[in-house]
Amino acid sequence: QVQLQESGPGLVKPSETLSLTCAVSGYSISSGYYWGWIRQPPGKGLEWIGSIYHSGSTYYNPSLKSRVTISVDTSKNQFSLKLSSVTAADTAVYYCARQQSGWSTPGFDYWGQGTLVTVSS
Amino acid sequence: DIQMTQSPSSLSASVGDRVTITCQASQDISNYLNWYQQKPGKAPKLLIYDASNLETGVPSRFSGSGSGTDFTFTISSLQPEDIATYYCQQYDNLPPLFTFGPGTKVDIK
Repeated sequence: QVQLQESGPGLVKPSETLSLTCAVSGYSISSGYYWGWIRQPPGKGLEWIGSIYHSGSTYYNPSLKSRVTISVDTSKNQFSLKLSSVTAADTAVYYCARQQSGWSTPGFDYWGQGTLVTVSS
Repeated sequence: DIQMTQSPSSLSASVGDRVTITCQASQDISNYLNWYQQKPGKAPKLLIYDASNLETGVPSRFSGSGSGTDFTFTISSLQPEDIATYYCQQYDNLPPLFTFGPGTKVDIK
């Protein structure tokens, strides 16, 4: 069974960099699939942030691209998110997920439980 | 960018009722649409992919249909455990972008 677990600081100061890690178990990232980050501000909808392949190939939401970096560490079977210059608008629950691209419509079939990150001084 | 709308934004129905949610795309997306269920405090769960295909293990009371710009998600007989917010999601590859609909909150009357 594929499992994902997000970890990282729950509180980040404005203008600083948000850093999260997603540990994957039950599946080797090196075996394939893209892996993604999605966020959800409190009481609001879902926003895709970006995705990464085990090779390191990435693609990002154009609205966040200038501030986002996603990286992968296959030796630790995990991938990470960095979001720079955060503001209160970046306060959200951040999810990591496995991206299923075997269908006509790529989507996300396994999700972490999510971690709330609050941006506040 | 392709915009997604959902209606209604919320609904209240009785146990056993048939519930229908619609999702509309701003341009033709063929059948490139997925549906998710998100229960309060939980991560989203994929229910339907490619507009009408039920994900493994998902109860058969859930179904999806549609193509082009108009899509429908149906719960044939609402159960108490179906209380959740439902999101449609499309994927555009030029540029690569996942877009979720705004969601429909389903409650028990």
